[in-house]
Amino acid sequence: DAEITQSPRHKITETGRQVTLACHQTWNHNNMFWYRQDLGHGLRLIHYSYGVQDTNKGEVSDGYSVSRSNTEDLPLTLESAASSQTSVYFCASSEGGSGANVLTFGAGSRLTVL
Amino acid sequence: SQQGEEDPQALSIQEGENATMNCSYKTSINNLQWYRQNSGRGLVHLILIRSNEREKHSGRLRVTLDTSKKSSSLLITASRAADTASYFCATDQIQGAQKLVFGQGTRLTINP
Repeated sequence: DAEITQSPRHKITETGRQVTLACHQTWNHNNMFWYRQDLGHGLRLIHYSYGVQDTNKGEVSDGYSVSRSNTEDLPLTLESAASSQTSVYFCASSEGGSGANVLTFGAGSRLTVL
Repeated sequence: SQQGEEDPQALSIQEGENATMNCSYKTSINNLQWYRQNSGRGLVHLILIRSNEREKHSGRLRVTLDTSKKSSSLLITASRAADTASYFCATDQIQGAQKLVFGQGTRLTINP
């Protein structure tokens, strides 16, 4: 069965370190998204991609970067982790094209920055 | 800024009762979607209603959309303990180029 997987599921790191969260989908979806979820803010869009070599900034992109070298993967990198980036991160994908943009979500990655 | 705002933020009802959650949004949309999130899990798509639709049903779910008021409601009938979760509305904005904007969610608790 097709799926979308995130790793690691839990990560503790220190301020200033580089962290990469992986997202891998086997749906063959064109669109991929990274959201963060914080109490009181719901889900906020960090970065998104409509296809290979395409990346776009979302609402809260400062301090984050992504790259899309193939259809299946959209890794999220925190260049220099800050305590404000402690959050739960969700990757999602959708088919793209002219269809309705229905998202399939991963299980989430809980990141703690000390 | 968040497009959707859910109301109430939290709702607690008895099993078997109906649960109604509301969502308001600000800009023109292609469609509005509702998602469920169980504790510690990712979001799961429940139902989508297009901007030219007024009501849609799926099992025990009923969604309405009023584009003139920029609002939507999700009704869960005959609630069950398994319906305990957070529910989010998400808007697919006309100028949003296929990226959904989520509200803050309603935390629903079904008491046995």
